[in-house]
Amino acid sequence: QVQLVESGGGVVQPGRSLRLSCAASGFTFSGYGMHWVRQTPGKGLEWVAVIWYDGSNKYYAASVKGRFTISRDNSDNTLYLQMNSLRAEDTAVYYCARDRSTSNDFFDCWGQGTLVTVSS
Amino acid sequence: DIQMTQSPSTLSASVGDRVTITCRASQSISSWLAWYQLKPGKAPKLLIYKASSLESGVPSRFSGSGSGTEFTLTITSLQPDDFATYYCQQYNSYSLTFGGGTKVEIK
Repeated sequence: QVQLVESGGGVVQPGRSLRLSCAASGFTFSGYGMHWVRQTPGKGLEWVAVIWYDGSNKYYAASVKGRFTISRDNSDNTLYLQMNSLRAEDTAVYYCARDRSTSNDFFDCWGQGTLVTVSS
Repeated sequence: DIQMTQSPSTLSASVGDRVTITCRASQSISSWLAWYQLKPGKAPKLLIYKASSLESGVPSRFSGSGSGTEFTLTITSLQPDDFATYYCQQYNSYSLTFGGGTKVEIK
């Protein structure tokens, strides 16, 4: 049973940092690209970042480039998202999602999400 | 970035209705398009990939079609479990983008 469980969300002040984690189980984590996707209130879904199966390539949405960093630990089956210089517009439910391939295509399995609220 | 435009944004329908949602891309994406179903408090669900390939386990009342810049998701005979929000997503480029979503409501 493929399972993705996000953690690390919460309330944070603008300009501060937060790190999200995604624990993967039920599949060979090191064989898949992994993504972060967020859902903002009233704005729908927005792709945030992808990391290839071996960590060799990372791509980011323009809205987070330079502030967010995606990483993975294939020995621990965990995906991370380091979020720095947070802004109010980063408030969203953040989903961890598995790619169907080793790189970046579409998402065939999603977690339940973790809520990040950026507010003073 | 490739812009994805979905229509309508909201759709009111009854159980048993045939429902069609349209997704248009700002440039050709060949058949590199997926569709997802979102329900509050639940993990999003992949329905269709490569424009018309049905994901394993998804009921056959869901179908996708199109290529290039225009795509459709069709639900034949809408069921109570289908009231949800649907999103298209292109994967023609490294910068992945979604449509704005279509909420299917009970009429």
